[in-house]
Amino acid sequence: SQKIEQNSEALNIQEGKTATLTCNYTNYSPAYLQWYRQDPGRGPVFLLLIRENEKEKRKERLKVTFDTTLKQSLFHITASQPADSATYLCALAAGSSNTGKLIFGQGTTLQVKP
Amino acid sequence: NAGVTQTPKFQVLKTGQSMTLQCAQDMNHEYMSWYRQDPGMGLRLIHYSVGAGITDQGEVPNGYNVSRSTTEDFPLRLLSAAPSQTSVYFCASSNPTGPGGKNIQYFGAGTRLSVL
Repeated sequence: SQKIEQNSEALNIQEGKTATLTCNYTNYSPAYLQWYRQDPGRGPVFLLLIRENEKEKRKERLKVTFDTTLKQSLFHITASQPADSATYLCALAAGSSNTGKLIFGQGTTLQVKP
Repeated sequence: NAGVTQTPKFQVLKTGQSMTLQCAQDMNHEYMSWYRQDPGMGLRLIHYSVGAGITDQGEVPNGYNVSRSTTEDFPLRLLSAAPSQTSVYFCASSNPTGPGGKNIQYFGAGTRLSVL
């Protein structure tokens, strides 16, 4: 069966360090992968998208990699700040990328301590 | 633009009651989706729509009905609420051909539903 897995354990890091979150998937061949941020009591907010033919994508302090051989995406936050504390979700297109159907991982909670 | 608006924000139901969760978007997005979020389970797709008059089932459709009569609105109906439907429900919309494309989802603030 198709699965997306993120580390369910919370990630605690010190301010200024780089946070690395992992998203693994099985039995998919996604055309792209997305990362979202969710704060408590709010809906997820889109951060980054990376296509299957892209190895790496950057946006300010955020970096995403996509390894279709390993079936894995890594999400990095450099120079982390307490304001980066949130839950981060990865999502893949299920089936054709035109179906509007996304499958989400369960999310990893990041806590950045001052 | 208000984006995606969900009502109500909170709701308590008794087992067997019915209700409709409302979702409206003002971005003229073609695609709309309903998800439920439970602790440790992430977001699970209930139903989705790729345009007015077109709906399809997601991962967990049982106990829920949807319809899409307009581009703007995508209500989710619980016909006979059960305690297993206690969850946080999110509606999202997307434009697969818009800036950035690739089905970037815009989420509402959620409806927190308790079924007793």
